[in-house]
Amino acid sequence: GDSVTQMEGPVTLSEEAFLTINCTYTATGYPSLFWYVQYPGEGLQLLLKATKADDKGSNKGFEATYRKETTSFHLEKGSVQVSDSAVYFCALTGGSQGNLIFGKGTKLSVKP
Amino acid sequence: DAGITQSPRHKVTETGTPVTLRCHQTENHRYMYWYRQDPGHGLRLIHYSYGVKDTDKGEVSDGYSVSRSKTEDFLLTLESATSSQTSVYFCASGGASGELQETQYFGPGTRLLVL
Repeated sequence: GDSVTQMEGPVTLSEEAFLTINCTYTATGYPSLFWYVQYPGEGLQLLLKATKADDKGSNKGFEATYRKETTSFHLEKGSVQVSDSAVYFCALTGGSQGNLIFGKGTKLSVKP
Repeated sequence: DAGITQSPRHKVTETGTPVTLRCHQTENHRYMYWYRQDPGHGLRLIHYSYGVKDTDKGEVSDGYSVSRSKTEDFLLTLESATSSQTSVYFCASGGASGELQETQYFGPGTRLLVL
C-alpha cells in the first residue's frame, strides 16, 4: 500500500541554519503531497502542498518540490528561527478513501 | 483557518465505559476523518465519511464506530474504552468541492486517557 518515509528525528539546529527534512513516498497513481506542522499542544496545520510532478510548494520560507522520478518531497528552509521548533509531518493523499497517509514525523528544535 | 472544533478537548475515563468525541466543522466540507496520533506511529486513520450517513472504516477501526447525521458533525464513539485507546484524536475535514485530494484541515485534538 501507499506509504511515507521521513527522516528520523529529533533534529537540532542553531538559529539561521539551513534545514532539510527528507521525505520519500511509495504510491500508486498520482498523489498530492503535503507538509503539515504541529506546534506543541496544538493540532496539525498545513504548511505547504504540491499536487503534481515538478510543482513547488512554498510558505513562510519553507519549500518542497514534488519529484516523481525520485519519489521525494524534501522540506527545506534557508534560515530557521526558534519559532520553527515543531514536529513536521510529510503526507500524501490520493487513495480511494482520500485520507492522508503520514510519515512518523520529525521533531525540529532550533536553539538561539 | 478552517473552522473545525472538537469536544471535549481532554477526557479521562475508565476501562469499559463508552466515550463519544465530537467534531464540528463550519466549512461545508464533504469529507471528514478521524485519526489517532500515537508516538512512533504518526497519525493513523480510524474512520472517515464521504457524506451524510456515508461512512467507512480506516486502518485502525476496531473498537470504534462513527456517525454523521449532518454535514457539519462527525461523532466518534468508543463502545467500551480500553487502555490501548489512550491517544490523541484528531478530526479533519476537506473536499468542499467534492474532490478527494483537496487539503484537509485539522481540529485541535482531543486527549483521551483510559484508566
